[in-house]
Amino acid sequence: GENVEQHPSTLSVQEGDSAVIKCTYSDSASNYFPWYKQELGKRPQLIIDIRSNVGEKKDQRIAVTLNKTAKHFSLHITETQPEDSAVYFCAASNEKGGSNYKLTFGKGTLLTVNP
Amino acid sequence: KAGVTQTPRYLIKTRGQQVTLSCSPISGHRSVSWYQQTPGQGLQFLFEYFSETQRNKGNFPGRFSGRQFSNSRSEMNVSTLELGDSALYLCASSWTGGYTDTQYFGPGTRLTVL
Repeated sequence: GENVEQHPSTLSVQEGDSAVIKCTYSDSASNYFPWYKQELGKRPQLIIDIRSNVGEKKDQRIAVTLNKTAKHFSLHITETQPEDSAVYFCAASNEKGGSNYKLTFGKGTLLTVNP
Repeated sequence: KAGVTQTPRYLIKTRGQQVTLSCSPISGHRSVSWYQQTPGQGLQFLFEYFSETQRNKGNFPGRFSGRQFSNSRSEMNVSTLELGDSALYLCASSWTGGYTDTQYFGPGTRLTVL
């Protein structure tokens, strides 16, 4: 089955700096790669996703890049703010079994943005 | 539009008991997935339902089961509870679970097994 590795497990940055979180996946059939942000005690919230037919996607301060050849994808957050502090999860999925939604998650990255 | 809702939000059970958790998807969403979140194992996929049929199943023992009703609401059941079943159980819904869909999570049910 799919295996997703996520690094680093913790990341501390100064406000205004950039943060990068990297994930690798094992199943070449995976074609959907979402990123979720989870604040303490709250539900995971989708912040950005990318599908295998594109290499990069950007939404304001957040961007995701995908390298299908190398089987890795990354989350980039620019101009970080204290409210960006949370646990970030990457995930991968494919359409085996007729559904895209059997996400395999990375272990998460605790991002701390220091004011 | 109301989000995904889950009931109950908190549950305390003892070993050997069984438990049923409920998930109401966003109106119009027909795909419901369930995940278990623990500090040690992270987020793990349990199963996914679409139109009352289980389409995918993760690597969990048969004590974990689920079903989906005609209104797309879903329940999951855990029988013969073990201490290791203590976790946050999250459900998520999407229109069809298809390639172009987006999946939204509910707030979760925190299950504690004593």
